[in-house]
Amino acid sequence: EDKVVQSPLSLVVHEGDTVTLNCSYEVTNFRSLLWYKQEKKAPTFLFMLTSSGIEKKSGRLSSILDKKELFSILNITATQTGDSAVYLCAPTGTASKLTFGTGTRLQVTL
Amino acid sequence: DAGVTQSPTHLIKTRGQQVTLRCSPKSGHDTVSWYQQALGQGPQFIFQYYEEEERQRGNFPDRFSGHQFPNYSSELNVNALLLGDSALYLCASSWGQGVVGYTFGSGTRLTVV
Repeated sequence: EDKVVQSPLSLVVHEGDTVTLNCSYEVTNFRSLLWYKQEKKAPTFLFMLTSSGIEKKSGRLSSILDKKELFSILNITATQTGDSAVYLCAPTGTASKLTFGTGTRLQVTL
Repeated sequence: DAGVTQSPTHLIKTRGQQVTLRCSPKSGHDTVSWYQQALGQGPQFIFQYYEEEERQRGNFPDRFSGHQFPNYSSELNVNALLLGDSALYLCASSWGQGVVGYTFGSGTRLTVV
């Protein structure tokens, strides 16, 4: 059975801090790993990773995948209150369903 | 360009009743997947529809069924509702059963009392 573990489960930081969110996975016939941000209802897409060691960046967010060790990290630098959300990772296999972890709840305080 | 549209946004049902949730995919998408998200949990895959057929199914009982129409829109039906079915139901659309451009709707919040 496919399995995803995210850590930490929750995190409270001050604005301006840098955070690292972790995602480890076990998926049959792994193809890609997606990161989403969920503020209220609809998860919004952040990154799709398919190759090991290639960092994807978007503004203050970046992510990298390690297919040998079966994990991914999401980094957020210079955090802002608008970054407060649940961050979800979801690997995919040959079946195009997404297997989600429980998520990391990030709260950024002033 | 409309994104993924789900209706209704909120719903309250009684145990034992049946419910139908609806989803219109993003323009250009032909694949619809449904997820159940309980409070404090990540979304759990229910099933996926492509070319009007159920292509994949997660670990959900037969009380959960669905349909896809020729215009790619989809319905999720749940029979004999249980209190444990209370959750946010998310629909996601994509193209060709792929995950590129996988887009979620805002969901339907179902409460079973």
